Amino acid sequence: QSVLTQPPSVSGAPGQRVTISCTGTGSNIGSEFDVHWYQQVPGTAPKLLIYDYNRRPSGVPDRFSASRSGTSASLAITGLQAEDEAVYFCHSYDSRLSSDVFGTGTKVTVL
Amino acid sequence: QITLKESGPTLVKSTQTLTLTCTFSGFSLTTREVGVNWIRQPPGKALEWLALISGDGDTRYSPSLESRLTITKDTSKNQVVLTMTNMDPADTGIFYCVHPSLHPSGAFDSWGQGIPVSVSS
Repeated sequence: QSVLTQPPSVSGAPGQRVTISCTGTGSNIGSEFDVHWYQQVPGTAPKLLIYDYNRRPSGVPDRFSASRSGTSASLAITGLQAEDEAVYFCHSYDSRLSSDVFGTGTKVTVL
Repeated sequence: QITLKESGPTLVKSTQTLTLTCTFSGFSLTTREVGVNWIRQPPGKALEWLALISGDGDTRYSPSLESRLTITKDTSKNQVVLTMTNMDPADTGIFYCVHPSLHPSGAFDSWGQGIPVSVSS
């Protein structure tokens, strides 16, 4: 049902860099609507990580960054830490659906 | 400081109507640029946007669920109410009340703790 597609899982050793892709279409990411990213630790509400392409709310470390190209967006985590283990979701707006849409979610595992 | 808290039944039966209340503080739902959303998450699955009400009373709904949803506000009580009719076990999940405070960004930065709702057949 999710309009935006993410890989189910990614993993990396502490200190490594991992990236999470978010693939959309011409009616959402491809139409240059803003893309936002959330981190969700099991049992808690999602937490806003990146907004409006690559802005971080206060308190979010600069190890988290985002990029976009065409109909896709990506979240990068550098210097991976154990506390980064969580599920990550992307979020945008879809003009065809006239609705906010979310990604399928990606579980990040720190090896 | 912005806070939101969801309340309502955690168990409903198939075909019943679910009514959830979001009680918030730290902002006033009285102007067009201020809004409250409802988002749900089935167990182990992705987030799904359900509805939005703006301070001027404008409402928007998920196209796939629009016929079943109604969102209203009570400004005097700082509350937003979501009703979902004809509940089904597939509607089981956590329902979140969310306020985007980074205007004009549409990012969802303020979330309630969520309320788990289970639908029995």
